Amino acid sequence: QVTLKESGPVLVKPTETLTLTCTVSGFSLSNARMGVSWIRQPPGKALEWLAHIFSNDEKSYSTSLKSRLTISKDTSKSQVVLTMTNMDPVDTATYYCARINAAAGPDFDYWGQGTLVTVSS
Amino acid sequence: DIQMTQSPSSVSASVGDRVTITCRASQGISSWLAWYQQKPGKAPKLLIYAASSLQSGVPSRFSGSGSGTDFTLTISSLQPEDFATYYCQQANSFPSITFGQGTRLEIK
Repeated sequence: QVTLKESGPVLVKPTETLTLTCTVSGFSLSNARMGVSWIRQPPGKALEWLAHIFSNDEKSYSTSLKSRLTISKDTSKSQVVLTMTNMDPVDTATYYCARINAAAGPDFDYWGQGTLVTVSS
Repeated sequence: DIQMTQSPSSVSASVGDRVTITCRASQGISSWLAWYQQKPGKAPKLLIYAASSLQSGVPSRFSGSGSGTDFTLTISSLQPEDFATYYCQQANSFPSITFGQGTRLEIK
């Protein structure tokens, strides 16, 4: 059974750095053509893709947020970590991690439950 | 970046109705399109991938079609559990991914 679970702070202050962890089970981060992505959704708004990381450690970032994002993985711990610097209230959102299946769509076939991050002083 | 535009933004329908949601890409994306369903407070769920392939476990009343720039998601006979928000997602510019703005399907 494939599962993903996000963890991290629920509240961050403006200008701080956000660090989120996605812990996966039911598949390995070393699986070819599988990766993990981060996607966010501000309250009442649409989904926004942020970043991917794949088994070969290839990484990709949203063009608009690239300068603020870093994605990494620890295969032995089955964890993917996203950091976002210089947080602002407009970054308040539910942050999801999802498995990206590059052998299919590519598309996001399994999602975590999401974690709501509020940016406020 | 490729822009994805969904229409309508919201639609009201009744149980048993046939509903069609449209997604248009700002440039051709072949068949690199997926559809998701999202219920309040829940993560999105993959319904359709590669424009017309039904994800395992998804009811057959859901279907997708289209290629190039114009795509549709059709629900043949609405069930109470289908009232949700639907998103399209393009992967033609993979690894860059973009989503549509969503279509809210409400009970009439």
